[in-house]
Amino acid sequence: GAGVSQSPSNKVTEKGKDVELRCDPISGHTALYWYRQSLGQGLEFLIYFQGNSAPDKSGLPSDRFSAERTGGSVSTLTIQRTQQEDSAVYLCASSVWGRLNTEAFFGQGTRLTVV
Amino acid sequence: AQTVTQSQPEMSVQEAETVTLSCTYDTSESNYYLFWYKQPPSRQMILVIRQEAYKQQNATENRFSVNFQKAAKSFSLKISDSQLGDTAMYFCAFMKSAGGTSYGKLTFGQGTILTVHP
Repeated sequence: GAGVSQSPSNKVTEKGKDVELRCDPISGHTALYWYRQSLGQGLEFLIYFQGNSAPDKSGLPSDRFSAERTGGSVSTLTIQRTQQEDSAVYLCASSVWGRLNTEAFFGQGTRLTVV
Repeated sequence: AQTVTQSQPEMSVQEAETVTLSCTYDTSESNYYLFWYKQPPSRQMILVIRQEAYKQQNATENRFSVNFQKAAKSFSLKISDSQLGDTAMYFCAFMKSAGGTSYGKLTFGQGTILTVHP
């Protein structure tokens, strides 16, 4: 696609429910990143994919968070048993791996509200 | 671990004037990149300017320029001839550079909300 696409744009869920957030990166971008932006905070790194593998999951805040990537393309971030502190904007970015000066292109994010 | 600090939560400037946003960082890495990203209300993060740490010359992109002071670990953004469309949140970000290729993981500051007034 022309840019990084994320869906849904907004999601309201009840505490305790599971949610899935989707990211469709730019075609040909082998690296994919998930970040979380809480109100009034900067962006917090969650996980990084190179192809379908995740060499760095260090930012996932708890075992309720998981992510996968299939076919070297679409990625899904899953949050199980959502809590109110999970409310945030979840941003996905993709880039071309291995190039010097690589730029990360961001999607418009999914705003998750847990009520 | 790297940290990035933006000490100005909010800034404002009149249209056509110049404004400088501050950023400091802490790292033990010798090779890295620094970025300024803009996030308008649409939430879309847009790269404004990039600086490679091994380059002494400050990066410029049209009305945007940086003052990179490596020894002081300072990386400020200057916006000249401010325009209404510059109104956004601005993030300073750090990225390690390992083995000649960039790893890609960005460490962000807390952001500065910039408002340009007509």
